[in-house]
Amino acid sequence: KAGVTQTPRYLIKTRGQQVTLSCSPISGHRSVSWYQQTPGQGLQFLFEYFSETQRNKGNFPGRFSGRQFSNSRSEMNVSTLELGDSALYLCASSLGAGTGVNEQFFGPGTRLTVL
Amino acid sequence: AQKVTQAQTEISVVEKEDVTLDCVYETRDTTYYLFWYKQPPSGELVFLIRRNSFDEQNEISGRYSWNFQKSTSSFNFTITASQVVDSAVYFCALTPISSGSARQLTFGSGTQLTVLP
Repeated sequence: KAGVTQTPRYLIKTRGQQVTLSCSPISGHRSVSWYQQTPGQGLQFLFEYFSETQRNKGNFPGRFSGRQFSNSRSEMNVSTLELGDSALYLCASSLGAGTGVNEQFFGPGTRLTVL
Repeated sequence: AQKVTQAQTEISVVEKEDVTLDCVYETRDTTYYLFWYKQPPSGELVFLIRRNSFDEQNEISGRYSWNFQKSTSSFNFTITASQVVDSAVYFCALTPISSGSARQLTFGSGTQLTVLP
């Protein structure tokens, strides 16, 4: 069974630009969560999508947005990039059924550098 | 709100030594899940264990063991006879068992474990 894939793996952008990151969950998984990892703030929850609907959202500005497609693939977008957005962005997939915890499987991440 | 504290930023041990990684948490929820994840240099988070707040039994899996103590809000992780391949950053995480938030993990700051040959 293929794992969670994230593209691209590395990205370099300049301030003010926007960026779109992609995540393909494990086949059959309907929930995709996004996390930001920085040396200063650590791992922080961005949002979760389930069946094309945002189900949870962390404490991030509106510049961070996401969506999920009918095949469960998810994209996250960051507009008007700031230097502080430089981070490793991790995607996690899980079955997402019901309200119980399903084990989350993480992808390798996308390393975003903002210059 | 939840909070997870991993006070040990870095630990260095020599191969075959035992090492314990500490995790202390705060939550107002009465039911919750606790996790440990490993992050090797490749960056991918690897799931190690999940424990719910109802079950305070300790667990052992090979060289790994976990000690959950609700009275002290701690969920410590011990690696016995450490190996070089155990070198990684280890994260403790928490999520409440409530509708809609079960997949929103709150992570600790992580402990960098280095096992020297």
